Amino acid sequence: DVKVTQSSRYLVKRTGEKVFLECVQDMDHENMFWYRQDPGLGLRLIYFSYDVKMKEKGDIPEGYSVSREKKERFSLILESASTNQTSMYLCASSAALDSNQPQHFGDGTRLSIL
Amino acid sequence: ILNVEQSPQSLHVQEGDSTNFTCSFPSSNFYALHWYRWETAKSPEALFVMTLNGDEKKKGRISATLNTKEGYSYLYIKGSQPEDSATYLCAPPTGTASKLTFGTGTRLQVTL
Repeated sequence: DVKVTQSSRYLVKRTGEKVFLECVQDMDHENMFWYRQDPGLGLRLIYFSYDVKMKEKGDIPEGYSVSREKKERFSLILESASTNQTSMYLCASSAALDSNQPQHFGDGTRLSIL
Repeated sequence: ILNVEQSPQSLHVQEGDSTNFTCSFPSSNFYALHWYRWETAKSPEALFVMTLNGDEKKKGRISATLNTKEGYSYLYIKGSQPEDSATYLCAPPTGTASKLTFGTGTRLQVTL
C-alpha cells in the first residue's frame, strides 16, 4: 500500500513565522502535490512537482513556496504565515505524468495561524 | 481554472436507500475523471479513474458512469450503509495531465 505521511496532524503558529509542512511518500512516485481545503471551496492546488527539483505553481501559490530535494519528500513553506493561511493542508502523490493514475493522500495537517 | 460542479452539496439518506449524485465538467480536452471518497478524520481515497465515454465502473455497492460528450458523471450507491457517510469528490485532470481540479464535493450522511 502507498503510504503518504505528513509530519503533523495539528500545528499552531504565529503570524509572521516561517512554517514548514513536510510530506514523505514511500512508493517512488514521480508526482507530488500540496492542496489546501477550506469549507465550501473544495481542494485547491497550491504547488506540484513532477520530479526532483522541479515544481509548478498550482491555482493558489501566493504566499507559499515548495522544495523537493529528494524524490520521496515534498515540503510546503509558508514564508511569512498569515491568518488567511489557516486551513487544512493535504499532500498527495501519484505515479508518472499520466491522468489515469490516482492520487494517494496523506492524513492532512490542520494549521492554525494566530 | 476548470469549472467542476457537484450536486447536491449534501445529502441525508436512511440506511438501505439507494442514492446518486452528479459531477459536471467541461467536455472539451477530456483526459479522465477521478472519483474520491473522503471520510471524516481520514485521507481522501481513490474510488475510480474513468477514461472512456460510456465507461461504467463498480466497486462493491458503488458504481459510476461517464459521459464525456456532455461532460458529466454519476456516482451511485446501492443500499447505503452508515459507513458510506463521507464526502465524495470528483476531479478531472487539467492542463498537465496529472494535475486535478476538484469539485466541492457531495457530503453524504447515512443514518440508521
